[in-house]
Amino acid sequence: EEQLVESGGGSIKPGGSLRLSCAGSGFMFSSVWMSWVRQIPGKGLEWVGRIKSQSDGGTTDFAASVKGRFIISRDDSVNMMYLQMNSLKTEDTAVYYCTIVSSLLTYDYSGQHEHDAFDVWGHGTMVTVSS
Amino acid sequence: DIQMTQSPSSLSASVGDTITITCRASQSISSFLNWYHQRPGKAPKALIYTASTLRGGVPSRFSGSGSGTHFTLTITSLQPEDFGTYYCQQSYSAITFGGGTKVQIK
Repeated sequence: EEQLVESGGGSIKPGGSLRLSCAGSGFMFSSVWMSWVRQIPGKGLEWVGRIKSQSDGGTTDFAASVKGRFIISRDDSVNMMYLQMNSLKTEDTAVYYCTIVSSLLTYDYSGQHEHDAFDVWGHGTMVTVSS
Repeated sequence: DIQMTQSPSSLSASVGDTITITCRASQSISSFLNWYHQRPGKAPKALIYTASTLRGGVPSRFSGSGSGTHFTLTITSLQPEDFGTYYCQQSYSAITFGGGTKVQIK
């Protein structure tokens, strides 16, 4: 059974840094694309970022709200994905979920388009940014 | 960014009822619309992809339809485990989620 387990959450002051980890098991970790999605407690969902598989280039994409501050990486040798969060703001306070991405690829004159869905979710880890 | 609007924001229903949740996009998103279900204190779970394709293992009482800007999620014969919040998500351009529809027990 596919399983994702997040860790590394906690309380941090504004401007600080934190690294979240996501451990995957029960599936071919190296072949999947992975994403982070966050949820302010009691509120809706917000996509944070994605990392492709190494065979697809291992490239990353981010939401505008975190671009330049957050970094996603992966270590397929230990089935781990990471979210390095820098210059944290109070509005980054949320539960952070790691997910397996199921992406539908389409093609037109402008190239490849990727349409992501979030197939499997971890239980989440809480990050609180507060002074 | 494409805005996703769900309605109603909440509803009350009884076990056995049929309910329909609507999701509207601020511009056409073709069929690139996914649905998720979240129980209180739990992570979301995927239900439906590309507007109408049931994820493996999801009961057939769930169905989705729509294209363009208007989408619906229908649950027939509501079960106790179906209560919680439902979210739509578009992947036509970037990724955005709807605000959620909370389904409560009447």
